[in-house]
Amino acid sequence: KNEVEQSPQNLTAQEGEFITINCSYSVGISALHWLQQHPGGGIVSLFMLSSGKKKHGRLIATINIQEKHSSLHITASHPRDSAVYICAVRSGLSKLTFGTGTRLQVTL
Amino acid sequence: KAGVTQTPRYLIKTRGQQVTLSCSPISGHRSVSWYQQTPGQGLQFLFEYFSETQRNKGNFPGRFSGRQFSNSRSEMNVSTLELGDSALYLCASSLGVGGDGAFFGQGTRLTVV
Repeated sequence: KNEVEQSPQNLTAQEGEFITINCSYSVGISALHWLQQHPGGGIVSLFMLSSGKKKHGRLIATINIQEKHSSLHITASHPRDSAVYICAVRSGLSKLTFGTGTRLQVTL
Repeated sequence: KAGVTQTPRYLIKTRGQQVTLSCSPISGHRSVSWYQQTPGQGLQFLFEYFSETQRNKGNFPGRFSGRQFSNSRSEMNVSTLELGDSALYLCASSLGVGGDGAFFGQGTRLTVV
């Protein structure tokens, strides 16, 4: 079993829909990251969370440490949000462990 | 402020050769981490350097090595290349160890033939 599980693996949504991507992990962590990767490979770090909730524009990330679960929400989705979203966790100062990613396609 | 710069962007090598990839971090960042991304394994951590010292290491064979210079620029080297080393190699820089708020480069796509 992977230490970091993401769901769904693939997601298609229509423009304007509210989107949720989930991440569950099995180890104690010091931080959880949400990353966005566009075609071509470039990765953008969206959020780093250790507790609670963070918001940036139309993106919201939450984490529940007790349940070892995090969600990334996109409100009013847009085709430019189409990308792979990756969850990664870190324990202490050790290496990042990545989920397999969620491929999101937002259509008009 | 310039972002993280990786060179070269694309590279084709033959099995058995060795390769060196370069990563220039954002000015002021002292931590550089390297990652390998393949379709089958996804993103995997290679190693992390801070102040010229390796701080963390992933589960890769000794053919994969790296170093960091006094100006925080980092190189990774892969010797005796295998077909399975074909991947996108990404580096990320951050202020401190742990990669919080990390900024990623565009990656180097290595193809081994």
